[in-house]
Amino acid sequence: QVQLVESGGGVVQPGRSLRLSCAASGFTFNYYGIQWVRQAPGKGLEWVVVISYDGSEKYYADSVKGRFIISRDNTKNTLDLQMNSLRGEDTAVYYCTKSARTYGVYYDGMDVWGEGTTVTVSS
Amino acid sequence: DIQMTQSPSSLSASVGDRVTITCRTSENIFNYLSWYQQKPGKAPRLLIYRASTLQSGVPSRFSGSGSGTGFTLTITSLQIEDFATYYCQQIYGMPPWTFGQGTKVEIK
Repeated sequence: QVQLVESGGGVVQPGRSLRLSCAASGFTFNYYGIQWVRQAPGKGLEWVVVISYDGSEKYYADSVKGRFIISRDNTKNTLDLQMNSLRGEDTAVYYCTKSARTYGVYYDGMDVWGEGTTVTVSS
Repeated sequence: DIQMTQSPSSLSASVGDRVTITCRTSENIFNYLSWYQQKPGKAPRLLIYRASTLQSGVPSRFSGSGSGTGFTLTITSLQIEDFATYYCQQIYGMPPWTFGQGTKVEIK
């Protein structure tokens, strides 16, 4: 079945780095844009970053720009989120999500979500 | 960036009630708005896209309307499994594609 599985979360000290991964299965990965959405404890959803189907376009939320780097490997059906210079406000559950439509169409929402991976930034 | 205002932040309702949630945007986004449902400890689920199109598998008691800067999610005849938090998200133009603050639907 169509699935996204995140991994790599954990506890990390402020200023350190962490790398999240998202493994996709059940669909043609290289047809779809992928986004990360996060949710701080007890808070709402925050859009973080999107990468286009071919990895040529990447857009980041201002809150993570310059610190986070997204990449994808369409030969392995995987996606990575390199998170550097982590701050306490980056503490959240991070969800990997798939665009509902192929190629550069994002306006039909995100139809598949992973279960999320938890990142805790604390000393 | 486009600002989102979702209301109310929470509401109490009974099974069988009609529930309406509103989302307003700071600029015209035409119909590029999605609605999501999230239950505690779970990932969000896409309910509606392009303001009024029901995602496959979503019960017909859910409906969406609106365009421009004002949007509504309506649940007719609320069921026990509908008690959850609902979010709107605009997906217009260039990112960031912001979410509303969320509406928690609780049992009265």
